[in-house]
Amino acid sequence: DAGITQSPRHKVTETGTPVTLRCHQTENHRYMYWYRQDPGHGLRLIHYSYGVKDTDKGEVSDGYSVSRSKTEDFLLTLESATSSQTSVYFCAITLTSGGAEDTQYFGPGTRLTVL
Amino acid sequence: DQQVKQNSPSLSVQEGRISILNCDYTNSMFDYFLWYKKYPAEGPTFLISISSIKDKNEDGRFTVFLNKSAKHLSLHIVPSQPGDSAVYFCAAASGGSYIPTFGRGTSLIVHP
Repeated sequence: DAGITQSPRHKVTETGTPVTLRCHQTENHRYMYWYRQDPGHGLRLIHYSYGVKDTDKGEVSDGYSVSRSKTEDFLLTLESATSSQTSVYFCAITLTSGGAEDTQYFGPGTRLTVL
Repeated sequence: DQQVKQNSPSLSVQEGRISILNCDYTNSMFDYFLWYKKYPAEGPTFLISISSIKDKNEDGRFTVFLNKSAKHLSLHIVPSQPGDSAVYFCAAASGGSYIPTFGRGTSLIVHP
């Protein structure tokens, strides 16, 4: 258990509304990630962070923004939610230096439904 | 363009038999490979990994084999147990990037 929590765990919202998902970690890990999981697509990286205020885009970043103002929190924002953003969102961290050999530890996920 | 491919969306195996999950990759820069396991309503969990300097890594009932010339790896589970029923994701990373690329997953069902 790498001390990762996600909130909310479930959310239903309407198209066009802003949504923010929170990832919280308790152990001061430097690297944090947001993924989405969809049937037939596996896990796709949305954004990642390599330190406070240091973030970068992943494979499917359009329509998403992130912020990391403190080490323990990594926020994912959908500025104007669309039905295509209905998905399960996972936060992840790596424990050590962020090298290729570092495994990722995932949070429990947030199931988001956009109507 | 998928760099990590798991061509079998699902696999069904009898309890006690071997499960073999396959993964192919296209990027020759990948030098570290991982398998994750995911149960419904939970986040993925790390299972086993292998570096490109090896061709086999074993951990209990789980063994990963790497064939670099074929750009292919496989996960063997022996013997399979009903509790192994889950989605298995193959992932690959390169030394220059700490972010793995994931395959689409294979759903394994182990029948009692």
